[in-house]
Amino acid sequence: SQQGEEDPQALSIQEGENATMNCSYKTSINNLQWYRQNSGRGLVHLILIRSNEREKHSGRLRVTLDTSKKSSSLLITASRAADTASYFCATDESTDKLIFGTGTRLQVFP
Amino acid sequence: DVKVTQSSRYLVKRTGEKVFLECVQDMDHENMFWYRQDPGLGLRLIYFSYDVKMKEKGDIPEGYSVSREKKERFSLILESASTNQTSMYLCASSSPGRDYGYTFGSGTRLTVV
Repeated sequence: SQQGEEDPQALSIQEGENATMNCSYKTSINNLQWYRQNSGRGLVHLILIRSNEREKHSGRLRVTLDTSKKSSSLLITASRAADTASYFCATDESTDKLIFGTGTRLQVFP
Repeated sequence: DVKVTQSSRYLVKRTGEKVFLECVQDMDHENMFWYRQDPGLGLRLIYFSYDVKMKEKGDIPEGYSVSREKKERFSLILESASTNQTSMYLCASSSPGRDYGYTFGSGTRLTVV
């Protein structure tokens, strides 16, 4: 079962611009997480937001969660070429088992 | 540095072979997971385990089995490899109820010919 769906599938921006990725999901969740994957490598955990939180920050990352709309967004501010990667949202339905979306491919041009 | 180690980065096997993918974590995590990743399909859960000798089916367990004899090791077994099992396989571990998310291995890219 695919829980999260990211939008857009691909995003290209210039260095210094902000990148926004969206995630929609289908059922009630305990928390929602965002991960990053560099080409051909494993995923790296970026940030977790609980179902009772609306916004969370970590460095240049800002995550919002709207449980009424079953959606989340990841904002990367002042993007850098090194931010080029795929980004995945994942939802936890209180089982410690994550269901991942299909990802957004971000390309940041120098 | 804590980590999840997958035994092979690239693997080429023949159709019908029995294939073992090994995953070891050094974080004393209770939970371990196997996913496969295919273009356009994202990550799909194959099997997971919440404790030693425990295993649970994920969304796509057909053609796979797992073994968890020790807490730190979770093995994925392809009983009789087929070409449609050509994929990137990702192992992950986590601690229950913690907010640290999963720690992933670097992945094994398996090609079945």
